[in-house]
Amino acid sequence: QVQLVESGGGVVQPGTSLRLSCAASGFTFNIYAFHWVRQAPGKGLEWVASISYYEINKYYADSVKGRFTVSRGNSRNMVYLQMNSLTSEDTAVYYCARGGTIRAVAGDHFDSWGQGTLLSVSS
Amino acid sequence: SYDLTQPPSVSVSPGQTASISCSGDTLGNKYASWYQQKPGQSPVLVIYQNNKRPSGVPERFSGSNSGNTATLTISGAQPVHEADYFCQAWDSDTAVFGGGTKLTVL
Repeated sequence: QVQLVESGGGVVQPGTSLRLSCAASGFTFNIYAFHWVRQAPGKGLEWVASISYYEINKYYADSVKGRFTVSRGNSRNMVYLQMNSLTSEDTAVYYCARGGTIRAVAGDHFDSWGQGTLLSVSS
Repeated sequence: SYDLTQPPSVSVSPGQTASISCSGDTLGNKYASWYQQKPGQSPVLVIYQNNKRPSGVPERFSGSNSGNTATLTISGAQPVHEADYFCQAWDSDTAVFGGGTKLTVL
């Protein structure tokens, strides 16, 4: 079955960098887009970034544009989120989600989610 | 930026129909999706492309989308359906979530 496992979260200081990883299994990885969605403590869901199945298209929320970079390793069934210049506003649980439609990116729904990894940015 | 507006809370008695709205400018021209999130758990897709149910989601969950409003309907709601529900749509290359609605069934 579809499995997404995020890792890489932790406690970091403002201004630092961190890379989150998402390990995917149970399906054909390289025909799906992937998305990162975050949830600050006690708050709602916020879309962060998306990457197309062949890494050609990448989209970012305005709140992270220029600081975060999404990438994928199709040979390793991995999705990554490189986060730079972190601030307290980035504190959240970060979820990796699979797009629900083969080869779609924008306009797609998120049909499978990981358990999330917690990032806390604090001095 | 594009906004989706949901009521913060909806409350129904067991067995009643729960309806959760999601409003956005010309939302009816976009696909709306709905996610259920229970405390301490990851979100789960319950409706996509306005009214389609993923495999394993009961028929009591249904969706509609017209004009400026998408609606998630849970027929015969039970305490097990208590959760936060989030609508979601795309505006060009940006995914947008509604603020979420806490459904209480008691």
